[in-house]
Amino acid sequence: GAVVSQHPSWVICKSGTSVKIECRSLDFQATTMFWYRQFPKQSLMLMATSNEGSKATYEQGVEKDKFLINHASLTLSTLTVTSAHPEDSSFYICSARFYGNTIYFGEGSWLTVV
Amino acid sequence: SQQGEEDPQALSIQEGENATMNCSYKTSINNLQWYRQNSGRGLVHLILIRSNEREKHSGRLRVTLDTSKKSSSLLITASRAADTASYFCATMTTDSWGKLQFGAGTQVVVTP
Repeated sequence: GAVVSQHPSWVICKSGTSVKIECRSLDFQATTMFWYRQFPKQSLMLMATSNEGSKATYEQGVEKDKFLINHASLTLSTLTVTSAHPEDSSFYICSARFYGNTIYFGEGSWLTVV
Repeated sequence: SQQGEEDPQALSIQEGENATMNCSYKTSINNLQWYRQNSGRGLVHLILIRSNEREKHSGRLRVTLDTSKKSSSLLITASRAADTASYFCATMTTDSWGKLQFGAGTQVVVTP
């Protein structure tokens, strides 16, 4: 079946540095991917919609200059957390639209900023 | 933003008992989905129910949908310790093209 892979699963970075998380659709092309963030013991919040070949659409309250999204190919979207701070520590998870309304989630990435 | 509420926020039951959790949402939907998340892990898709469906079963899971009340319920029958997890409902609107709005979630603990 369709699979979405995220990398890395876990990342620790120093405050002030940037970190990139990849979301790949392994056996299908995804023109649209979504990025969510989940703080401990909370629900998932949609951050942005990533569209292949165009700019991402960010949800209200999400800083587009801090969370850079690049959907450079039909199988890869990346989320770069720039100048990360401890409050950015969270679980980040992507999903990819297969066709119609069928979507598949990646395994998620834990980011810890120290 | 959150689509809606889930209740209860937490549920503690013993193995063999049934667990029921509810989800309410605010806008018209194309479908509603239920996911399970084990602590620190990714999402496991459980079941999808379309807006024109009222009930759906999958193994020990039973989902109902009442679009007039904008609510859904998830019933887990004969619960097992392995069912311990957080459960989230998520709604997809007709024009969302795959975007999901998640509920607050219900944390279920099943004790042996």
